[in-house]
Amino acid sequence: EDQVTQSPEALRLQEGESSSLNCSYTVSGLRGLFWYRQDPGKGPEFLFTLYSAGEEKEKERLKATLTKKESFLHITAPKPEDSATYLCAVQAVGEGKSTFGDGTTLTVKP
Amino acid sequence: DAEITQSPRHKITETGRQVTLACHQTWNHNNMFWYRQDLGHGLRLIHYSYGVQDTNKGEVSDGYSVSRSNTEDLPLTLESAASSQTSVYFCASSESLAGKETQYFGPGTRLLVL
Repeated sequence: EDQVTQSPEALRLQEGESSSLNCSYTVSGLRGLFWYRQDPGKGPEFLFTLYSAGEEKEKERLKATLTKKESFLHITAPKPEDSATYLCAVQAVGEGKSTFGDGTTLTVKP
Repeated sequence: DAEITQSPRHKITETGRQVTLACHQTWNHNNMFWYRQDLGHGLRLIHYSYGVQDTNKGEVSDGYSVSRSNTEDLPLTLESAASSQTSVYFCASSESLAGKETQYFGPGTRLLVL
């Protein structure tokens, strides 16, 4: 059974204070690992897909990395508009469905 | 622009009633999914479909059913609503092709069962 564990559950940062969110996973064979952003009252919005260990992707202040057991979402010099819940999900080889973690709620104070 | 829509956006019903939540996508995606999201539980998969006439149970399928008669729609039915089914429901769709696995989500339906 595929499992995804995200930590911490909640993270409060001051504007400009860089940090990382963790996503640990177990899957029979990784097809892809996904990061989504979810704002209150809205559906998740796609950020990144990572396919193999060592892969990295960046978008503005966000950088996602992948190892064989976990993924990190690094946030550099965050701004208040980065406040949201960040969800991690994995897909197994041969599957089209994803298993999601419970998310990390990020709050960035000005 | 292609999109995925859900209706209604808010629904209040009584225990024991049958409720159907609609999901419509114009991406022409083969894959469609229904999730529920409760505080502290992230997204949990209810049912999913890989194409017309194909449906599969997810991890929390009891009390729910789906049918797929065309590519665009995957309605979710609560056969006899229970208070435990009060939640926010999200529909999503994706392609089947490698490299195109990203799921695109609808805006959600907030359901209250009294």
